[in-house]
Amino acid sequence: DQQVKQNSPSLSVQEGRISILNCDYTNSMFDYFLWYKKYPAEGPTFLISISSIKDKNEDGRFTVFLNKSAKHLSLHIVPSQPGDSAVYFCAATSYSGAGSYQLTFGKGTKLSVIP
Amino acid sequence: NAGVTQTPKFRVLKTGQSMTLLCAQDMNHEYMYWYRQDPGMGLRLIHYSVGEGTTAKGEVPDGYNVSRLKKQNFLLGLESAAPSQTSVYFCASSYGLRDIPSNYGYTFGSGTRLTVV
Repeated sequence: DQQVKQNSPSLSVQEGRISILNCDYTNSMFDYFLWYKKYPAEGPTFLISISSIKDKNEDGRFTVFLNKSAKHLSLHIVPSQPGDSAVYFCAATSYSGAGSYQLTFGKGTKLSVIP
Repeated sequence: NAGVTQTPKFRVLKTGQSMTLLCAQDMNHEYMYWYRQDPGMGLRLIHYSVGEGTTAKGEVPDGYNVSRLKKQNFLLGLESAAPSQTSVYFCASSYGLRDIPSNYGYTFGSGTRLTVV
């Protein structure tokens, strides 16, 4: 059963406009959410995160919103730039015992920003 | 800063052959992970380690073995490769302490593209 879902495999946005990437989760024990960005032939890189006790976190052009009651989070990129074209992974974490935690990833959304 | 280094970057194996993928990190991270990425499947955890000498199974461990003999290295082994193991493999590392929020994320290597024919 997929605990972190990214239902849109791809998204195309015009340069300068807002990109909104969505993510849903089912595990209410998740307490931290992260977004990773991945370019072809590279490993994923950390983009932004949010704790479950917050509903918004902003870092420059990137803002993540968390709606705990709906078990939904979204990543907003404003304004979108061609260099933002990449695959974006949503991830969530919860304490798994023995002093460890693991990240559970969604399947990713491929963002294409059109010049 | 090297971060996480994976070797090799590409490899083609014949069915039944064995190989070892090497992951090395220079950030003194406690935790290390092996993921595989397949089209439409996202990143799936194979095995992970919470410290030197320890390993644990992830979501898709079958057909793989791992070892963490040194803190900085995490090896992924395929004893008898199968076409179903054709994938891109990513190693990652992280701090294990939950009270360091700035280090909550993983650092990934650039991946190993493995093809089993």
